[in-house]
Amino acid sequence: QQQVKQSPQSLIVQKGGISIINCAYENTAFDYFPWYQQFPGKGPALLIAIRPDVSEKKEGRFTISFNKSAKQFSLHIMDSQPGDSATYFCAASSNYGQNFVFGPGTRLSVLP
Amino acid sequence: KAGVTQTPRYLIKTRGQQVTLSCSPISGHRSVSWYQQTPGQGLQFLFEYFSETQRNKGNFPGRFSGRQFSNSRSEMNVSTLELGDSALYLCASSLVWDRERNEQFFGPGTRLTVL
Repeated sequence: QQQVKQSPQSLIVQKGGISIINCAYENTAFDYFPWYQQFPGKGPALLIAIRPDVSEKKEGRFTISFNKSAKQFSLHIMDSQPGDSATYFCAASSNYGQNFVFGPGTRLSVLP
Repeated sequence: KAGVTQTPRYLIKTRGQQVTLSCSPISGHRSVSWYQQTPGQGLQFLFEYFSETQRNKGNFPGRFSGRQFSNSRSEMNVSTLELGDSALYLCASSLVWDRERNEQFFGPGTRLTVL
C-alpha cells in the first residue's frame, strides 16, 4: 500500500513534443506529491509538487495533473527539449518531513 | 551558496565491514534526510534528522543508523555490510522540517560498492 507505481519505464520524444509520465498510488493517506528530475551523476532535484485539493498545477513547461478519485497523477512536459533528457521520479508523502515514497522512475530521452 | 556535499564520493568495502558516510547540508539548513538508490529498488527513504533528532525512519534493518550533529552535519553508518548494500546513498537537506514550505536539495551521493 506504500507503493507508488510509475509508467512508462522509458520514453522517447521528439524535440517540441509533449512528454507524459503517469503515477498511481494506493495509500489514501498520501497528501503531497512531488516530481523530481535526476541527471546522471547528480542527485534528484525537485521540479514541481501538488496537493490533492488541486487538480492541476503549472510551472513553466511543467504541469502536474491530479485525479484524486482515481488516485493517479501525471507530469506533462510541454515543448520538450533535449536538455530535459533525464530520469523523472514521482513521489508521495503522508507525514510532515521529507520521507517520500518514490516511483521507480522514467528515463526520458528527447531527440533533437 | 554551496550545495549539499557528501563524502566520500566513492567507496569500496568488503562484506562484514562497516562504513560511515558524511553529509554537510546547505548552510542554514537544519533538516537532513538520507536515501538509498539502487537499480532494483529505486529510491528508498532511510531516515531524517532535524535538530539532532531522528524524526522519521524508513523500513531498513538496524544495521543502518545515523546521527546529526549540532552544526546540522549528518553521518550514516552501515554495519556488517552485505552485497545488497551496494548502492548510491543520497543525502538531502532542507531549511526546516516541513516538506511543503521548503525544497529538499540533494547532494551528489556516495557510491558504495560492497565486494
